[in-house]
Amino acid sequence: EAQVTQNPRYLITVTGKKLTVTCSQNMNHEYMSWYRQDPGLGLRQIYYSMNVEVTDKGDVPEGYKVSRKEKRNFPLILESPSPNQTSLYFCASGDRGFTEAFFGQGTRLTVV
Amino acid sequence: QKEVEQNSGPLSVPEGAIASLNCTYSDRVSQSFFWYRQYSGKSPELIMSIYSNGDKEDGRFTAQLNKASQYVSLLIRDSQPSDSATYLCAVNMGGGYNKLIFGAGTRLAVHP
Repeated sequence: EAQVTQNPRYLITVTGKKLTVTCSQNMNHEYMSWYRQDPGLGLRQIYYSMNVEVTDKGDVPEGYKVSRKEKRNFPLILESPSPNQTSLYFCASGDRGFTEAFFGQGTRLTVV
Repeated sequence: QKEVEQNSGPLSVPEGAIASLNCTYSDRVSQSFFWYRQYSGKSPELIMSIYSNGDKEDGRFTAQLNKASQYVSLLIRDSQPSDSATYLCAVNMGGGYNKLIFGAGTRLAVHP
């Protein structure tokens, strides 16, 4: 089954404690992206990757890191989480041109 | 000015009526346009894509695109309570940008 898998689905953490949200896709997509979704603001792009070892900033990259060492995986790293990073996070993948985005199930992150 | 704008709603329609959802975008070079449906707490799922001016129909859904007016809409005929969700408009500029920009979404409520 074609899918994008994120883990964990829910996470409560404390300010400053490094965390990683994993994302994996089994569709051999070149393009992967991370979004955060906040009420009234819609989906905002954090980082994206057009292929292995190729990443670039989206609209709200501050406080986040990513890496793309393998085509299927695109983890999101919060080195020192802060309460303003409390949000719903989605990973998405797509083919070249990103004509369609396939989304993971989402990760609800709370930073206290 | 936001790149993709939608009325946040809620748009309330009776069961069986036509729901009309609208979206405007600011970048004239945008080439691909999408409508995603998102149920509360779930990930967005693609329901329609449109690439050229005019109408595109798929079952009860019709997408309409007017590039000169920078306007894209979604009509849902014979609305059902199960259509109650947030509808996200997304725009891809193409040209290798590989960036999907989302509107904040319109919440649709279909009441029996």
